[in-house]
Amino acid sequence: GESVGLHLPTLSVQEGDNSIINCAYSNSASDYFIWYKQESGKGPQFIIDIRSNMDKRQGQRVTVLLNKTVKHLSLQIAATQPGDSAVYFCAENLQGAQKLVFGQGTRLTINP
Amino acid sequence: EAGVAQSPRYKIIEKRQSVAFWCNPISGHATLYWYQQILGQGPKLLIQFQNNGVVDDSQLPKDRFSAERLKGVDSTLKIQPAKLEDSAVYLCASSLAGVNTEAFFGQGTRLTVV
Repeated sequence: GESVGLHLPTLSVQEGDNSIINCAYSNSASDYFIWYKQESGKGPQFIIDIRSNMDKRQGQRVTVLLNKTVKHLSLQIAATQPGDSAVYFCAENLQGAQKLVFGQGTRLTINP
Repeated sequence: EAGVAQSPRYKIIEKRQSVAFWCNPISGHATLYWYQQILGQGPKLLIQFQNNGVVDDSQLPKDRFSAERLKGVDSTLKIQPAKLEDSAVYLCASSLAGVNTEAFFGQGTRLTVV
């Protein structure tokens, strides 16, 4: 399928290493954040979410960190695998507006 | 659990023609979203339904785009007339109850306007 995001920021990591994908969000009043993974030719797939009353949340091989002071969100993927290759988007819910706003996205490529 | 179904998967039309996309959300999901994803960008919300009512359509170009969800289940998105800049992937998503719950996306419809 055709690639999504031909001119996105790109992060290249070695297979087995940890990946850290960063996102700066726009609104200090945002209260809910989601990381999505989008593979070529597919719709975004939910990875993990975090609410603004938390700083950290862990899933299977993934961790999301939220720093509200600097409006920064990160996604950490442990032991990166070839199947992790995709474009990763952070999304924020604008409190009150009840609208999920997506960031630009980061393309993660895995080197064997 | 069946996912969000969209059709068609691909569509090529000439500018000024009309086109319609269809979405069947996950059963029981009250909230349905239509997003536009231009190549190289994140999805942009066009319209959000809660059951059959519109919650947000602030970024829908209403002079040419329309959407409906008549029975609170399936939804259609129409563009008439299409412009070259409408070329994008149109994604439908649904969630149980609003943006603070996980939204599931369909595979999208890739529209090319020539």
